Amino acid sequence: GAVVSQHPSRVICKSGTSVKIECRSLDFQATTMFWYRQFPKKSLMLMATSNEGSKATYEQGVEKDKFLINHASLTLSTLTVTSAHPEDSSFYICSARSIPGLAGDDNEQFFGPGTRLTVL
Amino acid sequence: GNSVTQMEGPVTLSEEAFLTINCTYTATGYPSLFWYVQYPGEGLQLLLKATKADDKGSNKGFEATYRKETTSFHLEKGSVQVSDSAVYFCALTGYNTNAGKSTFGDGTTLTVKP
Repeated sequence: GAVVSQHPSRVICKSGTSVKIECRSLDFQATTMFWYRQFPKKSLMLMATSNEGSKATYEQGVEKDKFLINHASLTLSTLTVTSAHPEDSSFYICSARSIPGLAGDDNEQFFGPGTRLTVL
Repeated sequence: GNSVTQMEGPVTLSEEAFLTINCTYTATGYPSLFWYVQYPGEGLQLLLKATKADDKGSNKGFEATYRKETTSFHLEKGSVQVSDSAVYFCALTGYNTNAGKSTFGDGTTLTVKP
């Protein structure tokens, strides 16, 4: 149980286009989802916290208008990279935290497999 | 704020060698502690966790003990295999603080040679 999927797993796009990445909790309801960015050989950098039905909370230095996050339901959050540029190329990982008591303990996050974005 | 300091890598070992990857943390309250493993091109997988002091997390031969007195959560394995080659991340999540966000160490790359 407690599986999180991401789609697509890989995407290549042209500079200036927008890309949407989906994060789904497959067998549990997630009150909170987190979006991370990982640079090569680096740790995960938290970009934003997404709560169902409310606006996302962005970390300092992350552009809200560039990285649009929507958490439309308890099983789906989307990250849209708008007007992508080559410097946005990265590995994007989401994680989901369940409604307390339903999956894992309260502090456990379940990670998606990641999405490799390449902007040409 | 919360922070995690992880032993720098890369670490290269021969098969069947003993592994230790050090991890220390700074946090307010009573965090939960985690070790994650990441294989090339993949997301993070939970390896083990501990939610309170003196708890020992274990999985696939890996162990780590939550030491509150030394604020540490060192990862150990008695005999590593080639298939253990991966990047290992130590992480903490503050209990009821910081909106459940996790703080990660920088990761330690482990390479096990036959």
